[in-house]
This record gives sequence, C-alpha cells and structure tokens, in this order.
Amino acid sequence: DVKVTQSSRYLVKRTGEKVFLECVQDMDHENMFWYRQDPGLGLRLIYFSYDVKMKEKGDIPEGYSVSREKKERFSLILESASTNQTSMYLCASSFSVRNQPQHFGDGTRLSIL
Amino acid sequence: SQQGEEDPQALSIQEGENATMNCSYKTSINNLQWYRQNSGRGLVHLILIRSNEREKHSGRLRVTLDTSKKSSSLLITASRAADTASYFCATDPSGSARQLTFGSGTQLTVLP
Repeated sequence: DVKVTQSSRYLVKRTGEKVFLECVQDMDHENMFWYRQDPGLGLRLIYFSYDVKMKEKGDIPEGYSVSREKKERFSLILESASTNQTSMYLCASSFSVRNQPQHFGDGTRLSIL
Repeated sequence: SQQGEEDPQALSIQEGENATMNCSYKTSINNLQWYRQNSGRGLVHLILIRSNEREKHSGRLRVTLDTSKKSSSLLITASRAADTASYFCATDPSGSARQLTFGSGTQLTVLP
C-alpha cells in the first residue's frame, strides 16, 4: 500500500514564526501536492511539484513556499505564520500519468496563535 | 478554483438504506474521481471513472458519469454506520495528471 506520511498530526505555533510541514511518500511518485482544507471551502491547492526541484503555484500560494530536494519528500514552509493560516494541511502524491488517483496523508492540523 | 460541486451538502439516512450523492462540474474532463474522508483524517480514493465510461462499480459503490450534463453520481448501497464520512468528487480537467480540482463535499451520516 502507498504510504504518505506527514510529520505532525497537530501543531501549534505563534504568529511570525517560520513553520515547516514535512511530507514523505514511499511509492516513487513523481507528483506531490500541498492542500489546505477549511470548513465550507473544500480543498484548495497551495503548491505542487512534478519532479525534484520543480514546483508550481496552485490556487492560493501567497504566504507559502515549498521545497523538493528529494523525490520522496515535499516540504511546505510558512515564512511568517499568521492567524489566517490556521487550517488543516493535507499532502498528497501521485504518478505522473493519466487516470491515476492521488494518495493522501492523514493531515496536519495547524493552529497559529 | 472549485469546479466540482456536490449535492446535497449533507445527507442523513438509516443503516441499510441507499445513499446517493451528486457532483456537477463546469469544464471538459479527462476523468472524475470520488474520495472519502473520515473526520480528522486524510482523503481516501474510492473510484475513478474515465470520460469515455458511463458507469463503474466497486463493491457497494456505483458511480455514473454523464458528460453531456457534466454530472456524476455516487451511490452507496446498503449503507452502514461505518460509511459515515465526507465524500468529495474531483475532476482532472486538463488531462495533465498534475492537478485535481475538488468539490466542497457531501457530509453523509448513517444512523444505526
């Protein structure tokens, strides 16, 4: 089975801190994704990567950056955390061919105080 | 941007009944996928239907796709309390296999 592991299930940080969310997948997937999920807004794509060192902006990239130095690892960085970034963050991965599903981690519930 | 829109937003049924959820979308798609999310957890892929398919089955799940109406439905037969979850449709509009666009989900509650 595919395993997508997010480093923390729950995280509490303070406004202005630099926050790192880590995601690791074990299936040699080319694509990796970061979403945030808020009540009533569904899943919104922040950034995705289709290869090592490659990244593309999603729908809501402002206030975030990403890093993909190795194929299996995709990091989401909040450069200076703000309270409006309190949310559930979901990482996913997939093969880069048509008609493939995305595989999700269990999410990180991040609270910015 | 949200392309898929699920209907209803919430659905409550008794165990043993069937549950039907609908999804509408706006642009041409390569495939449409359904996912399930238990409370506080990640999404789990349920079923994928390609744009040239009209119906697909997987266990107690039946998915239909009508590309002329830009809509899909997910039917769960003989529902169980363990089916209680949020269900999302997702579309692959570009065919690039690089992005999915998710709807806002249907919250299904199955009462024992």
